[in-house]
Amino acid sequence: ETGVTQSPTHLIKTRGQQVTLRCSSQSGHNTVSWYQQALGQGPQFIFQYYREEENGRGNFPPRFSGLQFPNYSSELNVNALELDDSALYLCASTFLPGQGAHGYTFGSGTRLTVV
Amino acid sequence: GENVEQHPSTLSVQEGDSAVIKCTYSDSASNYFPWYKQELGKRPQLIIDIRSNVGEKKDQRIAVTLNKTAKHFSLHITETQPEDSAVYFCAASSGLTGGFKTIFGAGTRLFVKA
Repeated sequence: ETGVTQSPTHLIKTRGQQVTLRCSSQSGHNTVSWYQQALGQGPQFIFQYYREEENGRGNFPPRFSGLQFPNYSSELNVNALELDDSALYLCASTFLPGQGAHGYTFGSGTRLTVV
Repeated sequence: GENVEQHPSTLSVQEGDSAVIKCTYSDSASNYFPWYKQELGKRPQLIIDIRSNVGEKKDQRIAVTLNKTAKHFSLHITETQPEDSAVYFCAASSGLTGGFKTIFGAGTRLFVKA
């Protein structure tokens, strides 16, 4: 498996619950970024993980948290789910620092529905 | 905070015509500008990118231009085909090697009519 894989593909949760989304980065990549994509909108940057540490964060509250593991896979955790958290969550991997910027390879996403 | 604005939100062209999508960015530290294509129900895929030390880059029917002074960059698709129909996102990255934080535009839905 060389691409970015995400699990689960779909998830339905109740408001107030907690959720964990998982991502395996592309082979050779060491950096994972998470994005939230609402229907009809562009991906919104949540945070990025590099060398197992958060390496930048967007405008998301602390109830959005993450982890990166030694094998560069990553988890996104969301606590106290709200209805507005319903969206497609995309994981994207790349290699840093490299000799220059590199684009992302995206996973297929996890569709989260909060009811 | 950092922002990327993208226009138009919807673009409809006749097959064979050209399509142009324009973006502006606010963070002067941005140094890497990728473009992604997202077909319905699929993941975004990188189609072309440009770095801040280059003004123009071309790959077959696709070209990107960058004006760092004006903080503008554009995607040009020539000889459009129905399979070019998709949502296109511009993005701007800052950081040591452009991967620190990538901010996306809101997207342009391109329709190519046969």
